[in-house]
Amino acid sequence: GAVVSQHPSRVICKSGTSVKIECRSLDFQATTMFWYRQFPKQSLMLMATSNEGSKATYEQGVEKDKFLINHASLTLSTLTVTSAHPEDSSFYICSANGQNTGELFFGEGSRLTVL
Amino acid sequence: GNSVTQMEGPVTLSEEAFLTINCTYTATGYPSLFWYVQYPGEGLQLLLKATKADDKGSNKGFEATYRKETTSFHLEKGSVQVSDSAVYFCALNNNDMRFGAGTRLTVKP
Repeated sequence: GAVVSQHPSRVICKSGTSVKIECRSLDFQATTMFWYRQFPKQSLMLMATSNEGSKATYEQGVEKDKFLINHASLTLSTLTVTSAHPEDSSFYICSANGQNTGELFFGEGSRLTVL
Repeated sequence: GNSVTQMEGPVTLSEEAFLTINCTYTATGYPSLFWYVQYPGEGLQLLLKATKADDKGSNKGFEATYRKETTSFHLEKGSVQVSDSAVYFCALNNNDMRFGAGTRLTVKP
């Protein structure tokens, strides 16, 4: 079945640095990928929709300059957390639509800890 | 807009008890409906899905029926096991994906 790979699975960084998280669709082309943030014991919060070759669409309240999303190819989307702060510490998950199925396939998630 | 309302947890049941987790949705047109499960320490995985009215999705003893008249997609299982302890998310896909808040299920032996 379709597989979405996310990297890194865990990252610890110092406050003020930037962190890039990659999301790859391994055996299918994903014109649209989604980025979510999950706080402890809470649901997924959609951050943005990433469209290949165009600018991402951000949900209300999500800072586009803070969370840079690039979808340069049909199999790769990246989320860069710029100038990270401790409040950015969270579990970030990407997903991609399976081709013509409506099903969403999720990456394994990336746990970011900002010291 | 599209939204999903899911029964709040946490839910604690004894092994072999009957489970229902309610889910209702708001959407225009005909969304696809899903239940995802997140086991402790793991990512999300699809549990079951239904793509049109009256479809019944089923997997691992869980079932949910797409009820357009009541805009619902309640998750049921006749006899839960300890290994079913997880967080369950109801979701819809209507050109964008929306999730419910999640329901944490704990099954005790």
